[in-house]
Amino acid sequence: GQNIDQPTEMTATEGAIVQINCTYQTSGFNGLFWYQQHAGEAPTFLSYNVLDGLEEKGRFSSFLSRSKGYSYLLLKELQMKDSASYLCAVSDSNYQLIWGAGTKLIIKP
Amino acid sequence: DTAVSQTPKYLVTQMGNDKSIKCEQNLGHDTMYWYKQDSKKFLKIMFSYNNKELIINETVPNRFSPKSPDKAHLNLHINSLELGDSAVYFCASRYGTGDTGELFFGEGSRLTVL
Repeated sequence: GQNIDQPTEMTATEGAIVQINCTYQTSGFNGLFWYQQHAGEAPTFLSYNVLDGLEEKGRFSSFLSRSKGYSYLLLKELQMKDSASYLCAVSDSNYQLIWGAGTKLIIKP
Repeated sequence: DTAVSQTPKYLVTQMGNDKSIKCEQNLGHDTMYWYKQDSKKFLKIMFSYNNKELIINETVPNRFSPKSPDKAHLNLHINSLELGDSAVYFCASRYGTGDTGELFFGEGSRLTVL
């Protein structure tokens, strides 16, 4: 079967760095997405990786290793507004998105 | 200015009733989707639809039916509501017909079945 694994919850301190991991097992691979979802709101797009390596976008970076079926989202200089759930999703061989359950990130002052 | 809009945002109803949720996108996207997000926060695709093809997730009960009057609208109709239908339903859209582009989500419609 197809599976996306992420930690359920993480806690970090304002101003610090946090890394949210995602491992996947899918039938084929056409890219990996990260979305941010604040409580009670819609998911919003953060990043897309299809090639191995690190993609940097401001305070957020996303890394992919296709051979390991592994990605992480790195958040730097954490702010209170970064408290949210972070969803990992993989596009499989049929271009269907397989979603993880999300990682709830709690930022403490 | 709203890119993907859904109505209603909140819906409380009794078991056995029939209800609809409307979705409109003004982005000129080709494909629209309905997702269900349950209490455990998993996003499960229910339908994807473009002007050529409707793809139904086979696990979705046939009490759920999408209706698309045109490319910019994809409504969700639910018959004979059950307690387990309580969830947040998200409409989304993207360019093209593959799943490699960014998804734009509506604000969600929280359905509570009593």
